[in-house]
Amino acid sequence: QVQLQESGPGLVKPSQTLSLTCTVSGDSISSGGYFWSWIRQPAGKGLEWIGRISVSGSTNYNPSLKSRVTISVDTSKNQFSLKLSSMTAADTAVYYCARSGGTAFAPWGQGTLVTVSS
Amino acid sequence: DIVMTQSPDSLAVSLGERATINCKSSQSVLDSSNNKNYLAWYQQKPGQPPKLLIYWASTRESGVPDRFSGSGSGTDFTLTISSLQAEDVAVYYCQQYYNTPMYTFGQGTKLEIK
Repeated sequence: QVQLQESGPGLVKPSQTLSLTCTVSGDSISSGGYFWSWIRQPAGKGLEWIGRISVSGSTNYNPSLKSRVTISVDTSKNQFSLKLSSMTAADTAVYYCARSGGTAFAPWGQGTLVTVSS
Repeated sequence: DIVMTQSPDSLAVSLGERATINCKSSQSVLDSSNNKNYLAWYQQKPGQPPKLLIYWASTRESGVPDRFSGSGSGTDFTLTISSLQAEDVAVYYCQQYYNTPMYTFGQGTKLEIK
């Protein structure tokens, strides 16, 4: 079955740019019909959708983060990526990648904790 | 944005008893053209990602036990666990996908054993 796995640095300094990658296995990211999203969750808090990309490269972002977010896809590596600039302590969270057909999210990656600290 | 509000924030239920979690959306998530409610429920256990339980408000995801059921329409929805098992201890979230691509989640309901 399809599996997703996030990777990237666990520690980012304030004002720096976070870069995370989600590697998809078990199916081709190019198989079509799906959107690939990033979602985050601060410790002990709820879920916030960050943005999504389609295999064609079309993107949509949460307006609250739009000015700082870039999501891209690399079909040759079966991966998609997140860049979030100007990081602050408020961006400390577990970051998840997930698939959707424009509806609910399934499956999800295991998540990766990103801490913003100097 | 569509705001999703869950109640209660936490809930303690005895093993074998029924657990009920509510979710209210700030506007209808019912598409009258297809009569579908764009509402999903997730279960999140500590240290794990959310797991999809129910979509279209009442359709169980493959492999989800039938003690989990979803109901409701328009703006008011309910997740019911008919007979609580120990492994059901988790935080439960509702999510709307009506206002795609601006997905929003409820704040979560923590379910514990009484």
